[in-house]
Amino acid sequence: EAGVAQSPRYKIIEKRQSVAFWCNPISGHATLYWYQQILGQGPKLLIQFQNNGVVDDSQLPKDRFSAERLKGVDSTLKIQPAKLEDSAVYLCASSTGTQGEQFFGPGTRLTVL
Amino acid sequence: AQTVTQSQPEMSVQEAETVTLSCTYDTSENNYYLFWYKQPPSRQMILVIRQEAYKQQNATENRFSVNFQKAAKSFSLKISDSQLGDTAMYFCAFMVGAQKLVFGQGTRLTINP
Repeated sequence: EAGVAQSPRYKIIEKRQSVAFWCNPISGHATLYWYQQILGQGPKLLIQFQNNGVVDDSQLPKDRFSAERLKGVDSTLKIQPAKLEDSAVYLCASSTGTQGEQFFGPGTRLTVL
Repeated sequence: AQTVTQSQPEMSVQEAETVTLSCTYDTSENNYYLFWYKQPPSRQMILVIRQEAYKQQNATENRFSVNFQKAAKSFSLKISDSQLGDTAMYFCAFMVGAQKLVFGQGTRLTINP
């Protein structure tokens, strides 16, 4: 069974630029999560999708972050414009949504200069 | 709001020794799940062990076991016969239903040869 795929693995941009991350969850997983992990901290949820609907985006900085999950499968997370404090690892996870285990992708390390 | 606290930022033991990582949490929920995740330098978050709060019996997975004290809201991880491959960041996490994982700050564990 293929795992959660993410791309790119690394991205370096300058502040005020825009960036987008892509996630392909495990086939059949209805729930998709985006977490932000700042260096030295545990991951923090940015947004949770159930199929293509948003379940929780209370911690998403909506003035600069946006996310979508078209057709309830792949998802993209966008930052526009980026700030220095957005430097972090962005982790995507998926689950069956019925109190099941969350499976994580390898993450994208973003550096904002 | 749920919170998870890991009071040991770093730990170091010799190979083959036993090590215990501490975790406490705060919640008003009665039904929830607790997890220990391992994150090696590759950044892939890997599930080590999970515990359902309604189960009194402590979970075990080969060399990994937990000491779940519901009244004390404590959830420690014991690693027996530690191996070099156990070197990683370990995160304690909490989940209610199919909602987000709430992570602790992590413990950096080093197994020395």
